[in-house]
Amino acid sequence: GAVVSQHPSWVICKSGTSVKIECRSLDFQATTMFWYRQFPKQSLMLMATSNEGSKATYEQGVEKDKFLINHASLTLSTLTVTSAHPEDSSFYICSATEPTGNSGETQYFGPGTRLLVL
Amino acid sequence: GEDVEQSLFLSVREGDSSVINCTYTDSSSTYLYWYKQEPGAGLQLLTYIFSNMDMKQDQRLTVLLNKKDKHLSLRIADTQTGDSAIYFCAETKGGKLIFGQGTELSVKP
Repeated sequence: GAVVSQHPSWVICKSGTSVKIECRSLDFQATTMFWYRQFPKQSLMLMATSNEGSKATYEQGVEKDKFLINHASLTLSTLTVTSAHPEDSSFYICSATEPTGNSGETQYFGPGTRLLVL
Repeated sequence: GEDVEQSLFLSVREGDSSVINCTYTDSSSTYLYWYKQEPGAGLQLLTYIFSNMDMKQDQRLTVLLNKKDKHLSLRIADTQTGDSAIYFCAETKGGKLIFGQGTELSVKP
């Protein structure tokens, strides 16, 4: 149980284009999903917290107009990198919390999406 | 300084025990977690411990929690080459996970 998928697993795009990444909870309903960014050999940096049916909460320093997040259903959240530039190249990972259970608000992570902007 | 601190590297021989240490700062964290990340992959939840526990064992994994010193450790018994990965500890703060820098475990045959 508690499986989270991401699509695509990797994407290469030209500078100036927009890229959409999907995050799905496959076997549970996730009221909250999180989006992280990870640079090589570094820890995860939280970008935003996404709650179903409401606007995402962005961390300080993360541009909400640059990284659009939509959490339209209890099993799907999307991150759109708008007008991507080479500095947006990174590994993007989502996670989802299962609302019940004995592990509190344990986050289950997707496999990540590697974005390369040329 | 960082909220959660870990040593960056650990090298062990196959069959030995590995101990990865972590210190955290938020004494109100209800749960503390250990995640494993293999190259190019997402994070896999290994185990977690509730803050009112001192120890939790799950097969080859043993988690020790010293709440007074805010110290968390993960012991992997009989370490295998497949255990080579980066291990992250994490505390909860305000509903968010705060990660350490990650410890890269290298297992030599």
